[in-house]
Amino acid sequence: ETGVTQTPRHLVMGMTNKKSLKCEQHLGHNAMYWYKQSAKKPLELMFVYSLEERVENNSVPSRFSPECPNSSHLFLHLHTLQPEDSALYLCASSPEVGGSSYNSPLHFGNGTRLTVT
Amino acid sequence: AQSVTQLDSHVSVSEGTPVLLRCNYSSSYSPSLFWYVQHPNKGLQLLLKYTSAATLVKGINGFEAEFKKSETSFHLTKPSAHMSDAAEYFCVGRGYNQGGKLIFGQGTELSVKP
Repeated sequence: ETGVTQTPRHLVMGMTNKKSLKCEQHLGHNAMYWYKQSAKKPLELMFVYSLEERVENNSVPSRFSPECPNSSHLFLHLHTLQPEDSALYLCASSPEVGGSSYNSPLHFGNGTRLTVT
Repeated sequence: AQSVTQLDSHVSVSEGTPVLLRCNYSSSYSPSLFWYVQHPNKGLQLLLKYTSAATLVKGINGFEAEFKKSETSFHLTKPSAHMSDAAEYFCVGRGYNQGGKLIFGQGTELSVKP
């Protein structure tokens, strides 16, 4: 049990579908993150939320739409994806965002393996 | 700017022999440093963290790492490898001056032979 739960674990979708990834953390953290992990590439930070407010958006295409209704839940809404979007999507949380939190590690979920056909 | 470099993309050891995974960092200030492990189709699990309290850090599953400021290194070691240690390992830095942003190394894949 990691304290960060992601659903579904696997998702196969066509390019015209709309789906959502869900992340829930049970750690009382104020910051939540979405990362993309593609084969043979470094982890890419996509979005950062602090107390439900988006504080970072790393030039992610608009076909990815995050939502953070409260500090425990984070969603990633997907629509009209491309095959190159196939990857492992990881959610993470930490106590805070920003310089004062630099000695706190991120806690990761087990990810959603997304395949776009 | 801060950077983290893992010197080996792949390391292969025999079961029962020592493990050494190398990580160098570049920073103008003392960062926090972490080692994570990732098994296939799983998330990243924290092995250990260095936050300036002690230079030798002990983690889970028998792993430890030593922060050496003079060498700007934070190598991960384990005295005796187990088959279950086969995984991808990430060295990660986090700096106060960069808004706490995580800087990931490229990852090292550890193979353990019977």
